[in-house]
Amino acid sequence: NAGVTQTPKFQVLKTGQSMTLQCAQDMNHEYMSWYRQDPGMGLRLIHYSVGAGITDQGEVPNGYNVSRSTTEDFPLRLLSAAPSQTSVYFCASSSSGWGEQYFGPGTRLTVT
Amino acid sequence: KQEVTQIPAALSVPEGENLVLNCSFTDSAIYNLQWFRQDPGKGLTSLLLIQSSQREQTSGRLNASLDKSSGRSTLYIAASQPGDSATYLCAVFSGNTPLVFGKGTRLSVIA
Repeated sequence: NAGVTQTPKFQVLKTGQSMTLQCAQDMNHEYMSWYRQDPGMGLRLIHYSVGAGITDQGEVPNGYNVSRSTTEDFPLRLLSAAPSQTSVYFCASSSSGWGEQYFGPGTRLTVT
Repeated sequence: KQEVTQIPAALSVPEGENLVLNCSFTDSAIYNLQWFRQDPGKGLTSLLLIQSSQREQTSGRLNASLDKSSGRSTLYIAASQPGDSATYLCAVFSGNTPLVFGKGTRLSVIA
């Protein structure tokens, strides 16, 4: 039981490049979400999903896309990277909205 | 819009001391509140989850309380140890979106 896994752990992009951050969980959780963590700003919700085929925007969705084709996977796509997207990205999952949240180890992204 | 505040932002205590971390939220209509620990450069580890119908939860030296009506939660750490040094975050689930986080309290326990 691996819990929530994220790849890659580190990534450096040039402005304008695109990439996908991967997130997977093996706990059969319906709820999955993406957060970014910035110094002084705390954790902010980017996008979330309440089940396969259902996604919604969080507090800071601009510049990011998500899809949820399976229960296990919830990738986050950066369409055209900008320096403002330099951050640490965390994926989380829970069995329900009111269940305990489990976090992945994070992806540290730098955009130059 | 739900807002979560944690005070103090940083705290330094000598080893062995009991301490309390505070969390307040603006909308009392919550489903649950969760306390996390984050070590530098690492992800978040869940410590305690309190459902809205509960008043407190305990795990080892940790005790979390919840007062929904006043919009407050506290995390009590007994007999603090240097290994407790980390950032502690609280987050609330209000039913409309996933967790809303406070900015955390950075705890240093000095040996």
